[in-house]
Amino acid sequence: GQQLNQSPQSMFIQEGEDVSMNCTSSSIFNTWLWYKQDPGEGPVLLIALYKAGELTSNGRLTAQFGITRKDSFLNISASIPSDVGIYFCAGQPPYTSGTYKYIFGTGTRLKVLA
Amino acid sequence: SAVISQKPSRDICQRGTSLTIQCQVDSQVTMMFWYRQQPGQSLTLIATANQGSEATYESGFVIDKFPISRPNLTFSTLTVSNMSPEDSSIYLCSVEERNGIYIQYFGAGTRLSVL
Repeated sequence: GQQLNQSPQSMFIQEGEDVSMNCTSSSIFNTWLWYKQDPGEGPVLLIALYKAGELTSNGRLTAQFGITRKDSFLNISASIPSDVGIYFCAGQPPYTSGTYKYIFGTGTRLKVLA
Repeated sequence: SAVISQKPSRDICQRGTSLTIQCQVDSQVTMMFWYRQQPGQSLTLIATANQGSEATYESGFVIDKFPISRPNLTFSTLTVSNMSPEDSSIYLCSVEERNGIYIQYFGAGTRLSVL
């Protein structure tokens, strides 16, 4: 089945540094979503991407929908301690079987050192 | 976005018992989804629950083990039946909102430990 490879799997960074993570697949997707999950909570939507090549920002977060439709990138600028958590990408394949299901990446665990 | 409430938030259960998880949404939604997130892992879709029809289960998940109800457009339940320690996971309810595109929003999850 379709899979989303997310990298890096985990990362430790210093406060103030910029962070980059990505999701790649061998299949194309129509929509990309990026979520953050804090301990003990459900995933919270950060950014939604609708078109190939699109670049969208949400505060210090910037995400891009890859031009090939097979990948997406998330950047966090000037990281702060509350950026700690697990970041998931989710890709929506072309419409099949009457539903628009999402496939989730494996997650990037971010730890910020003050 | 919709506000999603899940109950219970956590539970510790004995092997062989069943637990029903409730998901309440503050607005009417057509599609609801149930996911499982095993410790340290990503989200795996269990089933899609559309109001008025039987839930559609993903490969590896069966109705006898994970019966789902969807009595109306704001509520759903997932039951984890005849539990074993391997069922220890976070169970997440999600709803789909459509506004030109399809976006999923999640509840806070139910943390289940089976002894």
